[in-house]
Amino acid sequence: GAVVSQHPSWVICKSGTSVKIECRSLDFQATTMFWYRQFPKQSLMLMATSNEGSKATYEQGVEKDKFLINHASLTLSTLTVTSAHPEDSSFYICSARDQTSAKGNTQYFGPGTRLTVL
Amino acid sequence: DAKTTQPPSMDCAEGRAANLPCNHSTISGNEYVYWYRQIHSQGPQYIIHGLKNNETNEMASLIITEDRKSSTLILPHATLRDTAVYYCIVRVLSGNTPLVFGKGTRLSVIA
Repeated sequence: GAVVSQHPSWVICKSGTSVKIECRSLDFQATTMFWYRQFPKQSLMLMATSNEGSKATYEQGVEKDKFLINHASLTLSTLTVTSAHPEDSSFYICSARDQTSAKGNTQYFGPGTRLTVL
Repeated sequence: DAKTTQPPSMDCAEGRAANLPCNHSTISGNEYVYWYRQIHSQGPQYIIHGLKNNETNEMASLIITEDRKSSTLILPHATLRDTAVYYCIVRVLSGNTPLVFGKGTRLSVIA
């Protein structure tokens, strides 16, 4: 149980284009999901908190107009990188919190999406 | 900022127990200790969490000191597949506070 999927697992795009990454909680409902970014040899950095049915909360320094987050259902959140540039190339990881008492509000992570912008 | 301190790297012989330490001297009374690991190019994997009692599951054991200022994650019989970066994180159980990652410990299991 407690599986989080991401799609695509990797994507290569041209500079200036937009890329959408999907994050799904497969066997539980998640009112809250999180998006992280990880550059090579660095730790995960929280980008934003995605709340079902409301606006996302972005961390300081993360441009909300560039990284569009939509959390339209209890099992799906999407991150769209708009007008991507080479410096946006990174490993994007989503996470969802299973708030059932059995799982103790544990946060589970997707497998990640590697974005390369040429 | 992460509220934990971990050694940057450790080695462990295959088949031996791997003991990964973590200091969290400023932990609050309602904060739990969580352990995750990240194998190269994958998303973090949940391992275990605890409040003050020792915990054990199929993956590992978590030993928390009585004053809760430090803990140790134990992999009883490390295999090559346990090579990963291990993160110790403190967080309250309830609410929507996200996990904040420090630099973790890079564990290398050696044949």
